[in-house]
Amino acid sequence: NAGVTQTPKFRILKIGQSMTLQCTQDMNHNYMYWYRQDPGMGLKLIYYSVGAGITDKGEVPNGYNVSRSTTEDFPLRLELAAPSQTSVYFCASSYSISPQGDTEAFFGQGTRLTVV
Amino acid sequence: KQEVTQIPAALSVPEGENLVLNCSFTDSAIYNLQWFRQDPGKGLTSLLLIQSSQREQTSGRLNASLDKSSGRSTLYIAASQPGDSATYLCAVTPQGGSEKLVFGKGTKLTVNP
Repeated sequence: NAGVTQTPKFRILKIGQSMTLQCTQDMNHNYMYWYRQDPGMGLKLIYYSVGAGITDKGEVPNGYNVSRSTTEDFPLRLELAAPSQTSVYFCASSYSISPQGDTEAFFGQGTRLTVV
Repeated sequence: KQEVTQIPAALSVPEGENLVLNCSFTDSAIYNLQWFRQDPGKGLTSLLLIQSSQREQTSGRLNASLDKSSGRSTLYIAASQPGDSATYLCAVTPQGGSEKLVFGKGTKLTVNP
């Protein structure tokens, strides 16, 4: 059971280039999330999805796009990369939040992106 | 808007010491609270999840408490070891439609041999 898998682990982009960060999970979770983590700033939600075909913006969506064509995959696309997008990106997944609050979120190992 | 604060931002202790990490949140309407561990350059590992109806959870040397009414949680680490050195993150799942984890900025713990 691999859990949440992110690729690549590291990437350097030039300003204006585009790329897709891949995320896949094998736990049949319906919820998936993308966060970015900047030094000293905690994790900020970029986009999330509550199921295949459904996506919505989080706190910091500008400059990013997502799609959710399958339950397993939730890629994050960066168009026209900017230095402000230098960060560590984490993908996460969970089951739907239950009223009992017993839903646990699982995170991937992260993608460290540098835009120069 | 839910906000999560962790104090202190950094903590350095000698090996063997018992320690407490603090987390506070502004809105008590939460489904749960999770404590995560993050090693340098690594992802987040879930340590403990406390449901809103619970007061505490324990796993080995770790004990997390939750006082929802006052918006506070503590993570107690007993008999700390150098291997406990990491950043500890607290996150809550708010009720009321925004069911996504809201994170604190973390406490960086260093346990010195």
